Amino acid sequence: QKEVEQDPGPLSVPEGAIVSLNCTYSNSAFQYFMWYRQYSRKGPELLMYTYSSGNKEDGRFTAQVDKSSKYISLFIRDSQPSDSATYLCALPSGGSYIPTFGRGTSLIVHP
Amino acid sequence: KAGVTQTPRYLIKTRGQQVTLSCSPISGHRSVSWYQQTPGQGLQFLFEYFSETQRNKGNFPGRFSGRQFSNSRSEMNVSTLELGDSALYLCASSLGTGNQPQHFGDGTRLSIL
Repeated sequence: QKEVEQDPGPLSVPEGAIVSLNCTYSNSAFQYFMWYRQYSRKGPELLMYTYSSGNKEDGRFTAQVDKSSKYISLFIRDSQPSDSATYLCALPSGGSYIPTFGRGTSLIVHP
Repeated sequence: KAGVTQTPRYLIKTRGQQVTLSCSPISGHRSVSWYQQTPGQGLQFLFEYFSETQRNKGNFPGRFSGRQFSNSRSEMNVSTLELGDSALYLCASSLGTGNQPQHFGDGTRLSIL
C-alpha cells in the first residue's frame, strides 16, 4: 500500500460546481498536510497547508483533515475553468519532514 | 519577490552523457530540495540541502548528486544518463528544514534520446 493514495482522475465538472478532491494516507506520523496545484508545464504551487484536524478556509478553497480516518480533502467552491489543473496532496512525516506526494488528481472545469 | 528559478528549462541529451541542472531559491530561503516527476511515478524526492550540507537523500542511485553553494543556490548532476532519467526535475526552496512549506520552480524538462 502506498503511503499516500490519490485518485488520478480526470475529474470533469461544469463551471460553478463544488469540487471535492481527496487523499488517504497510511502513516499516522504525518503531522501536517499540504495541497499543491500544478498547471501544465509549470511547477507545483502551494495552495494550502494545515497542521491540525478540522477545516481551514482560504477564499474558494477549504482544506479538511480527518486524522482519525487518515483522510484529507480539498474543496473548491464556485469552480472556474482557470481551476483546471492537477492537484497534489503532500504529507511530510517523521524527523525529516520531507513531503510524500500523492500522484495528483487532474481536474477539468468546463464552461 | 522572485520565485524559484531553474535553468535551463529544457534539455535534450543522449544516453551516457552527464547533465547539470541549476536552481536559485527564493531570496532568504536556505533549504533546497530536488524532485523527479514522471507520469508513472509522480513526484519523487531526490535530496535536500541546507547550509551547503545534504540533510536528506531519497532512494536514487549514486549517479544522481547535488551540491549547494554558500548563497543557497544549488546544482544537481546526473551522470551516465539512461533513458529512464527522462523526467521533469523540480527544485523547491523553503526557509529552513522542518515544518516549512516548500515553494517550487517550474522545473527542467530533461529528455534522453
